[in-house]
Amino acid sequence: AQSVTQLGSHVSVSEGALVLLRCNYSSSVPPYLFWYVQYPNQGLQLLLKYTSAATLVKGINGFEAEFKKSETSFHLTKPSAHMSDAAEYFCAVTKSNTGNQFYFGTGTSLTVIP
Amino acid sequence: GAGVSQSPSNKVTEKGKDVELRCDPISGHTALYWYRQRLGQGLEFLIYFQGNSAPDKSGLPSDRFSAERTGESVSTLTIQRTQQEDSAVYLCASSSRLAGLYNEQFFGPGTRLTVL
Repeated sequence: AQSVTQLGSHVSVSEGALVLLRCNYSSSVPPYLFWYVQYPNQGLQLLLKYTSAATLVKGINGFEAEFKKSETSFHLTKPSAHMSDAAEYFCAVTKSNTGNQFYFGTGTSLTVIP
Repeated sequence: GAGVSQSPSNKVTEKGKDVELRCDPISGHTALYWYRQRLGQGLEFLIYFQGNSAPDKSGLPSDRFSAERTGESVSTLTIQRTQQEDSAVYLCASSSRLAGLYNEQFFGPGTRLTVL
C-alpha cells in the first residue's frame, strides 16, 4: 500500500529564512513523488516531481526536494522564504508502474512572517 | 479552455437533496480524478476514470455517491440524499498518459459544497 505522511500541519518561517516541509512515504513499489502547492482560493498546482531520475529535484519558484530512499523521505526546501510562498503544500505518491492513483498527505500550511 | 474547470464553484444545499458537480478536464486528457477535501484535511481519493470507464471506484464513500464520464470529456459527480458530513471541497483533476505512465495531475479550482 502507498501512503504519505506530512509532519507538521502548520509551519511558520520568517521572510528570508529556510523553508523545510517534511514528507515521508511508504510504498510497496518504487514510488513517483510529487509536491503540489495550493494558494488561497486557487487550485492545486505542481511544484515538482520525482520519477526515478535525479534524486535532487528542482521545481518552480526556487523550491527543491531530495528523494532519500534510505529515509523514505521527500522533504521540500527553499533557501529563502518569500511572502508569496504562503500557501498549503501537499506531498503525494503514486505507484511507478501505473501512476493511476495518487495518495496525498494531509497538507502543511506555510505562513511567512515579514 | 486551457485548464480544468469545475462548476458550480459553490453549492449550498439542504440535507437530503441531491447535487451534481461538474468537471471539464483539459482537452485530450484521458485520465480524470475526483477528490474530496474536508476542512483542514488532505485530499481523499474518490474515483478515477480512464477514458469513459472507471477502473477504480474504491474511494467512493457510500452508494449515495456516483460518477460518470461521457465522450472522454466531461464528468459529473452526483451525491444523492446529501448529509452534513458531505460538506467539503470537491476537486477534479486530469492527466495525460505518456509512455504508458500517467503524468502529473492538473487540478481544477474545486466546488465548495455546504450541506445545511
